[in-house]
Amino acid sequence: ETGVTQSPTHLIKTRGQQVTLRCSSQSGHNTVSWYQQALGQGPQFIFQYYREEENGRGNFPPRFSGLQFPNYSSELNVNALELDDSALYLCASSLGGGITDTQYFGPGTRLTVL
Amino acid sequence: DAKTTQPPSMDCAEGRAANLPCNHSTISGNEYVYWYRQIHSQGPQYIIHGLKNNETNEMASLIITEDRKSSTLILPHATLRDTAVYYCIVSTRDNYGQNFVFGPGTRLSVLP
Repeated sequence: ETGVTQSPTHLIKTRGQQVTLRCSSQSGHNTVSWYQQALGQGPQFIFQYYREEENGRGNFPPRFSGLQFPNYSSELNVNALELDDSALYLCASSLGGGITDTQYFGPGTRLTVL
Repeated sequence: DAKTTQPPSMDCAEGRAANLPCNHSTISGNEYVYWYRQIHSQGPQYIIHGLKNNETNEMASLIITEDRKSSTLILPHATLRDTAVYYCIVSTRDNYGQNFVFGPGTRLSVLP
């Protein structure tokens, strides 16, 4: 059974650019949640996708957007990058979008905005 | 906001049991307690979860008080590799539609 994978591992962008991060969910999982983790803080919820539909969204601006594909992999897109977007971006997959569905995290993508 | 409070840091001697406390006094009847840990800049790793009964798996034990207002994660024989930030989470559906709200966690240092 393959776990959650994310690509790329590291990424360096400049302010104003756009970035796409990718996540492959664990086999059998139909839900993906994305989190942003700034240095020294706990992960902050960005949004969740359940069966290709957005199923919840945290307090992030619209320039953070996402997609989930029929195979339940997912993308996180961030437009007009700002310096404060520098963080570890985590995705987590789960069997469903409910509160009893354990989320399994990928290794993360470290984004640095210069 | 996270529904849990944890001490910011703890130390534990290698080979001894590490007991990590968590308060969740506003937990509702159908909300689970989850524990994750994060080793330096890796993705959080699932440890264990429970509703009201004590739970044990190969990694740890979870003791939940009868009133469910607090819990303790027990690592029975801590090793240096258990040094990490440990997050206690109450799974809940908040206004944003998120299930897991992470607080700052407890930084556990296992000392040789």
